[in-house]
Formats: sequence, structure tokens, C-alpha cells
Amino acid sequence: DGGITQSPKYLFRKEGQNVTLSCEQNLNHDAMYWYRQDPGQGLRLIYYSQIVNDFQKGDIAEGYSVSREKKESFPLTVTSAQKNPTAFYLCASSRGFASGRSTTGELFFGEGSRLTVL
Amino acid sequence: AQSVSQHNHHVILSEAASLELGCNYSYGGTVNLFWYVQYPGQHLQLLLKYFSGDPLVKGIKGFEAEFIKSKFSFNLRKPSVQWSDTAEYFCAVKAGSYQLTFGKGTKLSVIP
Repeated sequence: DGGITQSPKYLFRKEGQNVTLSCEQNLNHDAMYWYRQDPGQGLRLIYYSQIVNDFQKGDIAEGYSVSREKKESFPLTVTSAQKNPTAFYLCASSRGFASGRSTTGELFFGEGSRLTVL
Repeated sequence: AQSVSQHNHHVILSEAASLELGCNYSYGGTVNLFWYVQYPGQHLQLLLKYFSGDPLVKGIKGFEAEFIKSKFSFNLRKPSVQWSDTAEYFCAVKAGSYQLTFGKGTKLSVIP
């Protein structure tokens, strides 16, 4: 079955530690995204990547970093600089962006990773 | 920048009641509109979408939404809710070259 796999589902981290969340997709989608979900805040975009070896900051990129070395993979690192990292993190992908075409906006989501900083 | 407003933070209904969740956006050009749903313990999934054509769109599980361009609205409706509709509902808008923008979500609780 095609889909998006996020790991780990639950993660605990001590303050001051970096942590990397994995996101893998086998949908052959060009674009991938990381969102943060907090109660009452909806989904806020952290980073997105339209094509391999390229990514852009979203609305709340501070304290996060990403890489896109392969089409299938888009890991997110939550650094110690992120002031409030405890949250639910969602990875998503979408078609399009090949040859400069824009996406329709329809996203496919993974099951999420819940990070708790102790 | 575009923004999306969902009017209700938490809606509580009895089974068989009718549902309408409001969604308004701010963008004057062409938009693609979405409603996503997140059932308890499950991943976010697409409920329905509007790109063009008939402004009344039907989605899964009996949901529908109406795009009213003059009101910048895309309200979600269901004539008769079930307990299994208990979930959080997110409206989202893709406008021009902007990335998809989500509303803050509406939690729906359906009482048996």
C-alpha cells in the first residue's frame, strides 16, 4: 500500500537535545511538508520541499531543520533552539511541482509523531 | 498573506442533528478549498475538495460543502450526524502561489 510513514510515533527528549523525526513516502510525490499541530492552533507549516535538494521555510521554521536528499525522505530535526518543542508533528506529501507546475494543495498525511520534552 | 477562519472551536450535537461548520478565507483570487478530518487516534484525511465547477461538492460519509465566492466561504454540512462523526475538522485553502493554509479546526462531539 502506498502511503507516508512517520517514525517514531512517540518520542521523549530532554531539554537541550536535538531529535530527528523520520518521514518516508512511497507515493512518488514531488512535494513534502512538515506541520506542527497544537491544540486550538490548527496546523502550522514548518518547512516544505518541492523537489529533491531544495526546501523552503514555512511560517514557523525557527528552531527546526530539514534535508531532502532523496525524493522519498524528508526528515525533520527539532533542535535545542526550538523554545517550545512539545507538539504533534505531521508529515505530508503532494503531487506536482515537477517542471514548475504548482500543486493543487491536496495533501496526504502520515500518522504523526508526538514529541514530548521533559 | 491568506488566512482561514473557522467560526466554532467546539460543537456538541446529539445524533441525528444537522451539522454546519463555518469556514471563511481571505484571498481575492482563485482558490482550491478543502475540508480535512481527524478522527480520534487516526491520521488526517481528506473529506472533500473544491477546485472548480459546481460549487456544491460532496465528500465521503455523507458530508457536503458549498463554495460561495461572494462570501469567501466554504461551509461544511451534514444533514444527520452520527456518533462516528466525532472528530476534529479542518478547513484549508490553497490560493495562488501560497502554500496550503489551515484553519484552527473545529472539534465535533456527537452525543449518542
